[in-house]
Amino acid sequence: DSGVTQTPKHLITATGQRVTLRCSPRSGDLSVYWYQQSLDQGLQFLIQYYNGEERAKGNILERFSAQQFPDLHSELNLSSLELGDSALYFCASSLDPTGDYGYTFGSGTRLTVV
Amino acid sequence: GIQVEQSPPDLILQEGANSTLRCNFSDSVNNLQWFHQNPWGQLINLFYIPSGTKQNGRLSATTVATERYSLLYISSSQTTDSGVYFCAADTDKLIFGTGTRLQVFP
Repeated sequence: DSGVTQTPKHLITATGQRVTLRCSPRSGDLSVYWYQQSLDQGLQFLIQYYNGEERAKGNILERFSAQQFPDLHSELNLSSLELGDSALYFCASSLDPTGDYGYTFGSGTRLTVV
Repeated sequence: GIQVEQSPPDLILQEGANSTLRCNFSDSVNNLQWFHQNPWGQLINLFYIPSGTKQNGRLSATTVATERYSLLYISSSQTTDSGVYFCAADTDKLIFGTGTRLQVFP
């Protein structure tokens, strides 16, 4: 167990639907990162939050949004789902905003859009 | 943005063989990490190596930051080493390479 908890582990949903993925960072870590791993795009950075504030944005679609709550857990919301959104979504956490002390990854949420 | 390339894309080994995986990055980075993604999809940190050489059991890694590359050595490979190996350049967030898929057969 890495200390980063992602739920659910698996999710199957239909096109057009909306889902929420949840991430609890390792105890003490203030920064949360979301990554998408798809077959054609590889592992891509989506977005980072640090202590409740958005800090960096990557290749995140407008249909996707995220937030980090006061208890530091984060949620990634995916809406108007398309078949191409099927992927493994990882959350990672770090102590500081720049990852100087390393990153810890969760075990991922596998999303299948049918 | 920074580009991270890995080679070879695929590697097939017999148990006991040694291998070297390479990671090239196009710009200066704060750090360089190696990960192993096992067949169940879990990403496992192997090394956090901005420069120099580190060893952990049968695995070792070397990063030459001035020449913008890193190498991962796997010695006496085992079937449990199978999976995908990623390097990731740390630029305040991780930029991943495309990975090397390793299959080790008994």
